[in-house]
Amino acid sequence: DQQVKQNSPSLSVQEGRISILNCDYTNSMFDYFLWYKKYPAEGPTFLISISSIKDKNEDGRFTVFLNKSAKHLSLHIVPSQPGDSAVYFCAASLQGGSEKLVFGKGMKLTVNP
Amino acid sequence: NAGVMQNPRHLVRRRGQEARLRCSPMKGHSHVYWYRQLPEEGLKFMVYLQKENIIDESGMPKERFSAEFPKEGPSILRIQQVVRGDSAAYFCASSPKTGLNTEAFFGQGTRLTVV
Repeated sequence: DQQVKQNSPSLSVQEGRISILNCDYTNSMFDYFLWYKKYPAEGPTFLISISSIKDKNEDGRFTVFLNKSAKHLSLHIVPSQPGDSAVYFCAASLQGGSEKLVFGKGMKLTVNP
Repeated sequence: NAGVMQNPRHLVRRRGQEARLRCSPMKGHSHVYWYRQLPEEGLKFMVYLQKENIIDESGMPKERFSAEFPKEGPSILRIQQVVRGDSAAYFCASSPKTGLNTEAFFGQGTRLTVV
């Protein structure tokens, strides 16, 4: 039972353009959402998070949007850079923090120079 | 301030042997989480520990797997009598506290290969 879904396994964009990574969830009780970035042979690195009481959170080039009615969130990266090429994981929590994260399968982003 | 340290980075075990994976949380962090990532999958929660206490082990297989976080020293994930299906990347994460808007920071993982 996949409670957090990243339906597109990969995305390729040109440097300087916007990257939009999507994530859907099924459990309406999730109240905290996080995005992690992962390079091969390394651990996930925290990028940005959003609480369910908000619909947008921005940090530099990264913006996360939350649509609770659609149970959908998205990560926007603009402008995209080649160093952004990595696997991105969407994660969700029931407890407002990071005690027991439920992860999606990840999406591989490739940013072409 | 060193990050979450896991060792070994790579571990090869024969079927039936024991695997011990170690995790030292970030300085000041007293909450430790273990996750497992199978090939082509996302990370799956296994267990949440605080010093000397298991808080939530709902993701741990019922047999052969155990975890501890002693008062002194690293957290240990122990897998007894390993089987090929245990081959995966095991990630440890830590946080300074629990509650609202708390991020967990991950180590680089231990890649276990059972041959």
